[in-house]
Amino acid sequence: AQSVTQLGSHVSVSEGALVLLRCNYSSSVPPYLFWYVQYPNQGLQLLLKYTTGATLVKGINGFEAEFKKSETSFHLTKPSAHMSDAAEYFCAVRDDKIIFGKGTRLHILP
Amino acid sequence: EPEVTQTPSHQVTQMGQEVILRCVPISNHLYFYWYRQILGQKVEFLVSFYNNEISEKSEIFDDQFSVERPDGSNFTLKIRSTKLEDSAMYFCASSPRVGMNTEAFFGQGTRLTVV
Repeated sequence: AQSVTQLGSHVSVSEGALVLLRCNYSSSVPPYLFWYVQYPNQGLQLLLKYTTGATLVKGINGFEAEFKKSETSFHLTKPSAHMSDAAEYFCAVRDDKIIFGKGTRLHILP
Repeated sequence: EPEVTQTPSHQVTQMGQEVILRCVPISNHLYFYWYRQILGQKVEFLVSFYNNEISEKSEIFDDQFSVERPDGSNFTLKIRSTKLEDSAMYFCASSPRVGMNTEAFFGQGTRLTVV
């Protein structure tokens, strides 16, 4: 069965600093990976997805993620954090359904 | 831009009552899902639905739950005899196909509070 593991349930970064949210996957077949964001009291919004092809995937709001097969990772990054990035971020893998990680809450410090 | 809509946004019900959560998927989508997120926890898969029948369900989706597509647009989740532990955010999602490279589009969720 496919799964994803997110390291760190809470991450705090200063405004303007690098954002790094970690995700490792487990899959017996080439995975299809996603990052979703959930802003406070809102639904789930797709940030980006990796299917095939280029391993560096760019998403909305300046986020990007790199698929590294050798490390079974799909970490999410953003060069410079903004206060509006404060949210819960979910890494997910596609099976017949989407399977979510436990989420990482990103806090932005002024 | 097409979106999945869910109603109501917040539902409060007494323990033991039945609730129906409603969803309108994106119009040309064929696959529908319900997920649940208990406060502070992960988003959990409940059930997927295709061609007017359940295609997969999780162990959470027991006889207390049922889904239905009563007409061409709505997709509902019914919870019979609600329990306190059913309090959660319930998300509906749809996708145009079930291919591995297809994301699901999620609604804003219905927050169910059982008192």
